[in-house]
Amino acid sequence: AQSVSQHNHHVILSEAASLELGCNYSYGGTVNLFWYVQYPGQHLQLLLKYFSGDPLVKGIKGFEAEFIKSKFSFNLRKPSVQWSDTAEYFCAVNWGGGFKTIFGAGTRLFVKA
Amino acid sequence: ETGVTQTPRHLVMGMTNKKSLKCEQHLGHNAMYWYKQSAKKPLELMFVYNFKEQTENNSVPSRFSPECPNSSHLFLHLHTLQPEDSALYLCASSQLTGTAGGHEQYFGPGTRLTVT
Repeated sequence: AQSVSQHNHHVILSEAASLELGCNYSYGGTVNLFWYVQYPGQHLQLLLKYFSGDPLVKGIKGFEAEFIKSKFSFNLRKPSVQWSDTAEYFCAVNWGGGFKTIFGAGTRLFVKA
Repeated sequence: ETGVTQTPRHLVMGMTNKKSLKCEQHLGHNAMYWYKQSAKKPLELMFVYNFKEQTENNSVPSRFSPECPNSSHLFLHLHTLQPEDSALYLCASSQLTGTAGGHEQYFGPGTRLTVT
């Protein structure tokens, strides 16, 4: 069955620390990949996406993610986090352009000021 | 009003009640989705509507009944729910090209449902 795994459920960092959140999905084929973010009290919104082309994609607020096909991974990174990055981050995968997108369980990031 | 709106934002209902959740998208999209978000569990897709036609029903119990009268509005009718149905119900929309899915979704703020 199709599944998406996020390695860390909770991450605590100090401001200026580097961030990497892991995301793996169950098997290959053509995939569309997403990271969504949910800030406290706000709705889910798109952070970045990968459909094709350069496997290193850049999103809003200095975030980037790298698609490694051989590892079925799409890890999210940010070189220097800010307190305002405190949020829950969701990885999502869509296989073959179908109507079903599978979400990971989410990673809660807390950044200490 | 822009984006995706959902009403009500909070709902408390007994197990014998009948209620409906409403979603409206102002983005001109042609696909709409219902998700269930429970604590410590992945977001669960419930239903997908593409051009008002239901294309996905993710094994959802019949006590949840969706309705999509047009591409801008989506309802979730609830009846005889169980306490384990308490969760945040999210609506989303996307713009599909042709018959393909897989595009980014725009989410509403959700309805926090408590079943007593």
